[in-house]
Amino acid sequence: EDQVTQSPEALRLQEGESSSLNCSYTVSGLRGLFWYRQDPGKGPEFLFTLYSAGEEKEKERLKATLTKKESFLHITAPKPEDSATYLCAVQPSGQAGTALIFGKGTTLSVSS
Amino acid sequence: DTGVSQDPRHKITKRGQNVTFRCDPISEHNRLYWYRQTLGQGPEFLTYFQNEAQLEKSRLLSDRFSAERPKGSFSTLEIQRTEQGDSAMYLCASRSGSGETQYFGPGTRLLVL
Repeated sequence: EDQVTQSPEALRLQEGESSSLNCSYTVSGLRGLFWYRQDPGKGPEFLFTLYSAGEEKEKERLKATLTKKESFLHITAPKPEDSATYLCAVQPSGQAGTALIFGKGTTLSVSS
Repeated sequence: DTGVSQDPRHKITKRGQNVTFRCDPISEHNRLYWYRQTLGQGPEFLTYFQNEAQLEKSRLLSDRFSAERPKGSFSTLEIQRTEQGDSAMYLCASRSGSGETQYFGPGTRLLVL
């Protein structure tokens, strides 16, 4: 069964304290892995798409990496405005509809 | 604004009533998805349209749920005889035929009393 597990469930950081979020996945074949940011009461906001092991993408303080079994979202010198829930999703290959399978998310709180 | 829009943003209804939600995708996107998200969970897939054709439905989509995309543009999701367990955020997403990334709307939060 295709599955996505994110850890930790919650993470508290001080402003400037770098850390990483983990996304482990089990799929029969991977078409793509996606990271989204979700603020309370809002829809997910797209961050990154990764397609193959070894690929990396960066945007401001965020960097996403991908291996054959997991992805990491590295947050460098976070600021309070980075506080949000970060969702990881996979798109299995072979699924006609290309529906995403999401993890439960990691809720990040950054205090000043 | 060229993003995905959803209406209404909030809906409170009584158990047994019918509700309908609307989604307007990004204009050039021919693929449209509906997801449902409950508190503390990630979004769960409900159904998928390519143009006006509904090509995939999740087993989560009971007979009380129906979705349409009559002209391949906006879509509606109707829930008949609502139950308290239907309380959730209903999310719509769209993507183009050439890309894999799905872009989400702001969601419709449903509360069934």
